[in-house]
Amino acid sequence: DGGITQSPKYLFRKEGQNVTLSCEQNLNHDAMYWYRQDPGQGLRLIYYSQIVNDFQKGDIAEGYSVSREKKESFPLTVTSAQKNPTAFYLCASSIDSRGLEYGYTFGSGTRLTVV
Amino acid sequence: ELKVEQNPLFLSMQEGKNYTIYCNYSTTSDRLYWYRQDPGKSLESLFVLLSNGAVKQEGRLMASLDTKARLSTLHITAAVHDLSATYFCAVDSFPLMDSNYQLIWGAGTKLIIKP
Repeated sequence: DGGITQSPKYLFRKEGQNVTLSCEQNLNHDAMYWYRQDPGQGLRLIYYSQIVNDFQKGDIAEGYSVSREKKESFPLTVTSAQKNPTAFYLCASSIDSRGLEYGYTFGSGTRLTVV
Repeated sequence: ELKVEQNPLFLSMQEGKNYTIYCNYSTTSDRLYWYRQDPGKSLESLFVLLSNGAVKQEGRLMASLDTKARLSTLHITAAVHDLSATYFCAVDSFPLMDSNYQLIWGAGTKLIIKP
């Protein structure tokens, strides 16, 4: 079955540590997105990528980095520069970026906690 | 700038009652999406509305889109406890953003249905 796989489901980060969240899709989607969700809040866009080897900053990109070396993969690194990283992180994809006929498909999320 | 407003943000209701969630957006768009999120879970696509006057129904939920009024509604008929969740609407930014199409999200409506 096609879908988006995020791993790990839970992640604990020590102060000053970089951590990487994985997002893999086998839907053959061109566009991929990373969102952050704080408790009781909506979605805030961190980064998005419309094609391989290209990505754009979203509304809250500071302290995060991404890469898009393969169509299927869009990993997110939470760097030590992100001072308040505790949140629920959602990865999404869409069939293409020029017409969202079907909307986004979401992964199951990664819950990151600073310890 | 495209803004999306949902109201109410919180709704507590009794089983068997009807209610409507509203999603207003600030500029022209003819694509609107509704998602459901259960506590601690990811987002699940409910409806994709792609034209003015579009109406879609699934069980006790019905969504409609009025692009002239820049309004979508999510109507709940004879609510049951299983419909308790947070509901998000999102609007396609096309054609406002030349090549950076993305969904702009509402803040979400937390719906609690009491037995």
